[in-house]
Amino acid sequence: QQQVKQSPQSLIVQKGGISIINCAYENTAFDYFPWYQQFPGKGPALLIAIRPDVSEKKEGRFTISFNKSAKQFSLHIMDSQPGDSATYFCAASIRGGSNYKLTFGKGTLLTVNP
Amino acid sequence: NAGVMQNPRHLVRRRGQEARLRCSPMKGHSHVYWYRQLPEEGLKFMVYLQKENIIDESGMPKERFSAEFPKEGPSILRIQQVVRGDSAAYFCASSPPGDYEQYFGPGTRLTVT
Repeated sequence: QQQVKQSPQSLIVQKGGISIINCAYENTAFDYFPWYQQFPGKGPALLIAIRPDVSEKKEGRFTISFNKSAKQFSLHIMDSQPGDSATYFCAASIRGGSNYKLTFGKGTLLTVNP
Repeated sequence: NAGVMQNPRHLVRRRGQEARLRCSPMKGHSHVYWYRQLPEEGLKFMVYLQKENIIDESGMPKERFSAEFPKEGPSILRIQQVVRGDSAAYFCASSPPGDYEQYFGPGTRLTVT
């Protein structure tokens, strides 16, 4: 059972374009949704995160949009740059209690062409 | 403040050998999570530890895998009698008490020949 579904699997965007990656979750108990960026041979790096009490969060060129009723959230990368080429993972966890284990999507390989 | 450290970065083992993977959390972080990443897959939770305690090992295979986080020293993920299917990247992440943000190490890439 895949609790977090991520799409597309791969994405090619031209420099300056907008990259959009979507995720859908099943467990309504999830209340913390981070995005991680991973370069080849490196560990995932926390990029941006959102809680369900807000519908949008923006940090620089990166924006998370959150739709609680649809159980979906997405990452938008504005003015995409070749340096953004990486694999992006969405994830979800439950902040309540003390176990914050993350459930990840399968990842999106983003290629930004110059 | 140094980030999460993992060693070795690459580990090659023959089938049947033991693999020991180490993770030193960030300073001030007492919670450690281990995840496994198979090729073309996302990261899968394996185990969550606090100092001297295993909190959740629901993602660990029932046999051959064990983890510990002693009072002193790094967290260890131990895989006994490795098989080819254990070949993967193993990441640990740490967080401070009461904080849900996790910071990942660079990973250990295990290859079983």
